[in-house]
Amino acid sequence: GENVEQHPSTLSVQEGDSAVIKCTYSDSASNYFPWYKQELGKRPQLIIDIRSNVGEKKDQRIAVTLNKTAKHFSLHITETQPEDSAVYFCAASRRYSTLTFGKGTMLLVSP
Amino acid sequence: DGGITQSPKYLFRKEGQNVTLSCEQNLNHDAMYWYRQDPGQGLRLIYYSQIVNDFQKGDIAEGYSVSREKKESFPLTVTSAQKNPTAFYLCASSTPGTGGGDEQYFGPGTRLTVT
Repeated sequence: GENVEQHPSTLSVQEGDSAVIKCTYSDSASNYFPWYKQELGKRPQLIIDIRSNVGEKKDQRIAVTLNKTAKHFSLHITETQPEDSAVYFCAASRRYSTLTFGKGTMLLVSP
Repeated sequence: DGGITQSPKYLFRKEGQNVTLSCEQNLNHDAMYWYRQDPGQGLRLIYYSQIVNDFQKGDIAEGYSVSREKKESFPLTVTSAQKNPTAFYLCASSTPGTGGGDEQYFGPGTRLTVT
């Protein structure tokens, strides 16, 4: 089955800096890669996703890149703000299959 | 994600008791999922159902049971056979996305404490 590794487990940045979270996956047939943000005690919320037919997707301050050859994908957050502080999860799945999640990255943005 | 509800938000039970967690969605999604979340463990899949009256075991199904009698509802029962049931339980539902992959949306979760 699919295995998703996520790094780092914690990331501390100053407000205004950029943050990058990286994930690798094992199943070369995976074609869907979402990212979720989970604030303390709340539900995970889908913030951006990418499918295997594109290499990059951007939505305001967040972007995701995908390297299918190397089987890794990354979340980039620019101009970080304190409200970006949360746990971020990556996931991967192949068509008609379930998501496999990484173990999460706790992002702390200091004012 | 506002169309998925879970109840109750907090649940306390004594060891040895079965307990049922509720999950309802009004998004007309075919597929529904149950995850367990423990600190540092990410989200682990317990059971999922892609259609009414059908469900499959996930990675950690032992000690749990589900039913899917209606499209809108996917209750999870935590049985006394579950060795360590205290956790945060998340329900999700999904809709097929174009080009592959199902976009999953989560309910608010139920925090279960068993003593």
